[in-house]
Amino acid sequence: DIVLTQSPGTLSLSPGERATLSCRASQSVSTRYLAWYQQKPGQAPKLLIFGASSRATGIPDRFSASGSGTDFTLTISRLEPEDFAVYYCQHYGNSPLWTFGHGTKVEAK
Amino acid sequence: QLQLQESGPGLVKPSETLSLTCGVSGGSISGSYSYWGWVRQPPGKGLEWIATLYHSGDTYYNPSHKSRVTISVDMSKNQFSLKVNSVTAADTAIYYCVRGPYHFDDWGQGSRVTVSS
Repeated sequence: DIVLTQSPGTLSLSPGERATLSCRASQSVSTRYLAWYQQKPGQAPKLLIFGASSRATGIPDRFSASGSGTDFTLTISRLEPEDFAVYYCQHYGNSPLWTFGHGTKVEAK
Repeated sequence: QLQLQESGPGLVKPSETLSLTCGVSGGSISGSYSYWGWVRQPPGKGLEWIATLYHSGDTYYNPSHKSRVTISVDMSKNQFSLKVNSVTAADTAIYYCVRGPYHFDDWGQGSRVTVSS
């Protein structure tokens, strides 16, 4: 089974700072099937990034993502107050077919 | 604008069957890009994919739950459903219905289910 390991578990930053979140896969995965989500308290997750680097509709360009093979990164260039949330990476294609990482919480410092 | 709405009982007794339905509005459940599924989130924990179906009838299950879970579609009502048999406290979670083949573009607001006697 593929395992997605996200780090750090918690990121404490101030508004305006840059956030860099990591998602490492236990084996090489296709960039086509790597996605990122944002979840705010009490809300359903929201798709941010698909295909490892493509922003979903309506996602601001301060969110960017990259990576290949086993290492993927989500970057928030300048944190806005509404960006403090939990972020999950997700992969399609192995067993189980859809797998999520355990999440990175971005909290206000 | 596609919308997904979960419905189901908030409380289920241990050993009983959990049944949830997801109503789809703003689009046809048999349209293109028609993969429909369920993701759950136990309290304070992360996301776990449970099951997905394609409108043609193909179904996909998380091996961890395959023996207890059934996903099905009712095209006449534009909705799909999830059944989880023999529930335990470990099945307590928010259950989200989702749409998408490789990633989940659309999510319902979630249905909170507690397993307790």
